Amino acid sequence: EDKVVQSPLSLVVHEGDTVTLNCSYEVTNFRSLLWYKQEKKAPTFLFMLTSSGIEKKSGRLSSILDKKELSSILNITATQTGDSAIYLCAPLYGGSQGNLIFGKGTKLSVKP
Amino acid sequence: DAGITQSPRHKVTETGTPVTLRCHQTENHRYMYWYRQDPGHGLRLIHYSYGVKDTDKGEVSDGYSVSRSKTEDFLLTLESATSSQTSVYFCAISSRTGGKNTQYFGPGTRLTVL
Repeated sequence: EDKVVQSPLSLVVHEGDTVTLNCSYEVTNFRSLLWYKQEKKAPTFLFMLTSSGIEKKSGRLSSILDKKELSSILNITATQTGDSAIYLCAPLYGGSQGNLIFGKGTKLSVKP
Repeated sequence: DAGITQSPRHKVTETGTPVTLRCHQTENHRYMYWYRQDPGHGLRLIHYSYGVKDTDKGEVSDGYSVSRSKTEDFLLTLESATSSQTSVYFCAISSRTGGKNTQYFGPGTRLTVL
């Protein structure tokens, strides 16, 4: 059975802290891994990772995929209150366009 | 926002009534998806479409049907709504970004079944 596990499920930090969110997956015919950020609305796309060991960066956020270990991490440095959100991990798998399977997310709360 | 709109944005209905949610996109994407999001379960795929009149089931399709008579519209129907279908429903499209497929989400519809 395909599955995605994210950890921790929730995390409370203070502004300026650095956080690491984890995602492990088991899917057949893996194609890529996507990270989304969800505030009180629809998920918004952050990163897509297809190759192991290549870090993707966008400002204070970065992510890396380990295809051997079937996992990915999302790092956020110098956290701000605006980073408070649920972060979702979703491997894309299967043929043709592929389908996404989502983890339950990590709820990050950044306190001033 | 990838040109995706959903209607209605909020709906309250009673058990046993039919409900149709609409997803509309303006960028001619071939693939469209319906998800539901519930606390403790995350986002789960209900149905998806890979072209006009071409649809397939997802993980949680029981109690739902879909139709796609035009490229731009993907309809989700609850034939007889139940309280367990109270949820937030998201539509998504698949788009190629950097040569790879990425999904983008509509704003969501909050459905309450009393």
